[in-house]
Amino acid sequence: GQNIDQPTEMTATEGAIVQINCTYQTSGFNGLFWYQQHAGEAPTFLSYNVLDGLEEKGRFSSFLSRSKGYSYLLLKELQMKDSASYLCAVRDSNYQLIWGAGTKLIIKP
Amino acid sequence: IAGITQAPTSQILAAGRRMTLRCTQDMRHNAMYWYRQDLGLGLRLIHYSNTAGTTGKGEVPDGYSVSRANTDDFPLTLASAVPSQTSVYFCASSELAGGPGELFFGEGSRLTVL
Repeated sequence: GQNIDQPTEMTATEGAIVQINCTYQTSGFNGLFWYQQHAGEAPTFLSYNVLDGLEEKGRFSSFLSRSKGYSYLLLKELQMKDSASYLCAVRDSNYQLIWGAGTKLIIKP
Repeated sequence: IAGITQAPTSQILAAGRRMTLRCTQDMRHNAMYWYRQDLGLGLRLIHYSNTAGTTGKGEVPDGYSVSRANTDDFPLTLASAVPSQTSVYFCASSELAGGPGELFFGEGSRLTVL
């Protein structure tokens, strides 16, 4: 079966750096997405990786290793507004998105 | 800029009743999707439409139906609601099906079936 694994919950301190990992086992690979979802709101797009390596976008970076079936989202200079769930999703060989259950990130002052 | 509009935002429904969740987008996106989100589970695809006039079944289609008569609208119907359909439902769209483009989500419809 297809599977996306992410930690259920993480806690970090305001101003610090946090890395959220995502491992996947899917039938084929056509890209990996990270979305942010604040409580009670819709998911919003953060990043897309299709080739190995690091994609940087401001305070957020996303890394992909296709050979290891692994990605991480790196958040720097954490702010209270970064408290949210972070969803990892992989597009499989049928171009369908398979979603992880999400990582709830709690930021403490 | 509206993006994707869902209605209703919240609804309590008696089991056995018929319910249609509405979804409209103004971005002229080809592909549209319906997901349900339950605590502890990832988003699960119910039905999708790659372009107007076509629909397909996702991971959890049973008990749901959709139609795509035009580009903008993609309603989801529960023919006879059951308590296990209590969930938050998200409609989403993307410019192309399967492309690198992101999905844009509506604000969600919280449905409770009693």
